[in-house]
Amino acid sequence: QVQLVQSGAEVRKPGASVKISCKTSGYTFTGYSIHWVRQAPGQGLEWMGGINTQRGGTKVAQRFRGRVTLTRDTSITTAYLELKGLTSVDTAVYYCAREVDVVDFWGQGTQLTVSS
Amino acid sequence: QSVLTQPPSASGAPGQRVTISCSGGTSNIGRNTVNWYQQVPGAAPKLFIYSNNQRLLGVPDRFSGSKSGTSASLTITGLQSEDEADYYCGVWDDTLNGPLFGGGTKVTVL
Repeated sequence: QVQLVQSGAEVRKPGASVKISCKTSGYTFTGYSIHWVRQAPGQGLEWMGGINTQRGGTKVAQRFRGRVTLTRDTSITTAYLELKGLTSVDTAVYYCAREVDVVDFWGQGTQLTVSS
Repeated sequence: QSVLTQPPSASGAPGQRVTISCSGGTSNIGRNTVNWYQQVPGAAPKLFIYSNNQRLLGVPDRFSGSKSGTSASLTITGLQSEDEADYYCGVWDDTLNGPLFGGGTKVTVL
C-alpha cells in the first residue's frame, strides 16, 4: 500500500535550519511529484513547494523563496524539505504529499517547534 | 485571485443536510477540478472527493461534490456524528503553479 512516512518532531531555536524527510513506498516514486504543505496551530493548509521526483525540478511558493530547498534521493525513494532562517511563525505541522493531477496521499506530518 | 474562501464553520443536527462552499477564481476553480479533504484532529488530511464529484472508494454516498464557474461545494446529506471533522477544498492554481487549499470548514454535529 502507498505510504509516506515522515521524520520525527523537531525543536529548533530562532535562526536555525531544519531538514525533514519523507520516505515513500508502495508506488513508483518517480511517477509522482512530492509537495510540502504546512499547517500552523489552528490554521489551514499552506502550500510551500513541490519537486518533480523524476527530473528534480522544483517550484517554491514566493513567500518561501530563499528559505526553502527541496531535494529528493530516488535510490531510497525519499524527498526532503529544508527550511532556513526559522522564526516562531514557522512553528507548524509539515506534511509531504504526492501528486499527479491530484494531491492524494499524505504523510503523517512532522511537528516543528521554533522556540528560544 | 489565488485564494479559496470557505466558511469557518458549519453545523447541523443528525440527519440534516449541510453544504460547505468554496469560492475561488479564474486561475484555480475556473480552470481546474476541485478536490475535498477531510481532516480529523491530530491526523493528516485525507482525500475523499476528487475531480469535483468523484467519491473515493469507501466514502459514503451521503457526501457529494459539485462545481459551477469559480465556486464549488460539498454537501453532506443525512449528517452523522462521525462526519465531525475539518473539510478543505483544494485545487491546482495556474498562477501559483501549485496546489491551493481553502481555509477549512469545521463541521459540528449538534
